[in-house]
Amino acid sequence: DSGVTQTPKHLITATGQRVTLRCSPRSGDLSVYWYQQSLDQGLQFLIQYYNGEERAKGNILERFSAQQFPDLHSELNLSSLELGDSALYFCASSVDSLAGVGDTQYFGPGTRLTVL
Amino acid sequence: GNSVTQMEGPVTLSEEAFLTINCTYTATGYPSLFWYVQYPGEGLQLLLKATKADDKGSNKGFEATYRKETTSFHLEKGSVQVSDSAVYFCALSGNGGFKTIFGAGTRLFVKA
Repeated sequence: DSGVTQTPKHLITATGQRVTLRCSPRSGDLSVYWYQQSLDQGLQFLIQYYNGEERAKGNILERFSAQQFPDLHSELNLSSLELGDSALYFCASSVDSLAGVGDTQYFGPGTRLTVL
Repeated sequence: GNSVTQMEGPVTLSEEAFLTINCTYTATGYPSLFWYVQYPGEGLQLLLKATKADDKGSNKGFEATYRKETTSFHLEKGSVQVSDSAVYFCALSGNGGFKTIFGAGTRLFVKA
């Protein structure tokens, strides 16, 4: 158990819909990262937050957005869903992204999104 | 820019065989290097890491040495087990807080 929790575990929805994925980091971790993992594209970094502020952006679509709340949990919002958005979405947390050196990321179990 | 390249899989080995999964990187400065493992149906978890040149990370019989001269961090294990079947990701994280960069992952199958 990494200490990172993600809900829901599975999500099935239709094209055009909007969903929200939730992540609670390990106690004491200030950074939260979101990744998308699909069969054909490996692990894609989406976005990182540090202590409530956006720190880095990866290959995140404009239809996707995220935020980190004062209690440090994070939500990833996916809207106007398409079939190609079906994937595993992982959240990870780490202690201190400002240092960056040697930061281990702790991954949650993931949310499997299926868009029909 | 910074990048990580690891050997394509899948890699299929018999139990007790020797494992090498190659990983090379491109980065400015002095990044930290990691190997993460993803078992079926689970998230990634740290396997080992090294934070400076010539450091050797080791865990569960796996080893990798940070080679700055060859910009490599190859993963090795002397005798693999069926339970080692998983996807292995090489990654780097640099100074100044820039995001961790993951390789594409290498799937390992170990046959009994």
